[in-house]
Amino acid sequence: AAGVIQSPRHLIKEKRETATLKCYPIPRHDTVYWYQQGPGQDPQFLISFYEKMQSDKGSIPDRFSAQQFSDYHSELNMSSLELGDSALYFCASSLEASGRARTGELFFGEGSRLTVL
Amino acid sequence: AQSVSQHNHHVILSEAASLELGCNYSYGGTVNLFWYVQYPGQHLQLLLKYFSGDPLVKGIKGFEAEFIKSKFSFNLRKPSVQWSDTAEYFCAVMDSSYKLIFGSGTRLLVRP
Repeated sequence: AAGVIQSPRHLIKEKRETATLKCYPIPRHDTVYWYQQGPGQDPQFLISFYEKMQSDKGSIPDRFSAQQFSDYHSELNMSSLELGDSALYFCASSLEASGRARTGELFFGEGSRLTVL
Repeated sequence: AQSVSQHNHHVILSEAASLELGCNYSYGGTVNLFWYVQYPGQHLQLLLKYFSGDPLVKGIKGFEAEFIKSKFSFNLRKPSVQWSDTAEYFCAVMDSSYKLIFGSGTRLLVRP
């Protein structure tokens, strides 16, 4: 079965550079969530989109932005990277239209590991 | 705001030992609770979930969890662990915006 695809899997950047992470949800899923997991930490919610509109916002820095496109894939753009941005970035998708999201049926991708030097 | 606390950050067990990982949540209303597992180098996978009904929830791979409302707890259990259960386990609660709030995780190491 198709899963959530994230790219790139690994990314190395220098401070003050820009990075873009991509997330391709499970086909027909309409909701995308982004989480950030720092080293040894729990995943922290960043932002979510439902039907291409931002639906919720968490602890996402102003230097970060995200959007969901017409094909439901999402991109997380990070600018002016800092050392503290080094983390594993998870994308998850769900089909909210059926109410499944309300029961926690989030399907996670394998994550994109960002290292900022 | 809702929060989740996991008491044990690291647990080391021998194979066939019984497992219980603690999880407490802060919200006093209706809650949806989850346990996710993250195997080394892999993504989060749903182990089990509770949103209503029988407070004893059975999940995949022989795991179960018991929702005790009076104690605000949702502890994860397995009667006999295997080496392949070595992973990090996250308890999570769904907040009013339908996003997950995770606990800090418990790293389980099972020695063969």
